[in-house]
Amino acid sequence: DTGVSQDPRHKITKRGQNVTFRCDPISEHNRLYWYRQTLGQGPEFLTYFQNEAQLEKSRLLSDRFSAERPKGSFSTLEIQRTEQGDSAMYLCASTPRSSLLGETQYFGPGTRLLVL
Amino acid sequence: SQKIEQNSEALNIQEGKTATLTCNYTNYSPAYLQWYRQDPGRGPVFLLLIRENEKEKRKERLKVTFDTTLKQSLFHITASQPADSATYLCALDPVEDAGGTSYGKLTFGQGTILTVHP
Repeated sequence: DTGVSQDPRHKITKRGQNVTFRCDPISEHNRLYWYRQTLGQGPEFLTYFQNEAQLEKSRLLSDRFSAERPKGSFSTLEIQRTEQGDSAMYLCASTPRSSLLGETQYFGPGTRLLVL
Repeated sequence: SQKIEQNSEALNIQEGKTATLTCNYTNYSPAYLQWYRQDPGRGPVFLLLIRENEKEKRKERLKVTFDTTLKQSLFHITASQPADSATYLCALDPVEDAGGTSYGKLTFGQGTILTVHP
């Protein structure tokens, strides 16, 4: 068990470009979450999956954002036509079980995105 | 609207003292509350979880209290060390339905930056 991993760790892109981030959760974790964190703030929930099903998307997730979790394993988060306001740390987390009250979330190291 | 506030952006204390961090919330009925530690450039790391029917939880030098009447949680680090310097985040997750299901959609406070001086 190597923990939650995210790739890349850093991404610099120009406004208008598309970017894709990958998250590999701890194996056999059912739930996977994406959060966004800006400087000086706590993480903000974006979306989550239970196995391969995307169950909820935050209002923060505009139409330019899409997330997938094929086969219930790794997940990708794509941002199309990036804007400077998308610059943030994108965090992925996973939990081992579903619908159990109070599950600890295991976070990855994050992908820091800078849109120029 | 739902709101979570951590009492201060930064807290500076001397090594060996007890650090006390506060998390207040409004318009929430959290099933439980969690505290995480975050180091610069890293993801949050879970520290403690306390449920709504628990008053206090301890783990080594850490202690968390949860007062659902005051809508407040206190996080204490006793005998603090410079290695405890980090940002500490509280996070809430309300119960979603009558069955007590929680979906883990955590809402975080803005964090408190703790610096322990030698």
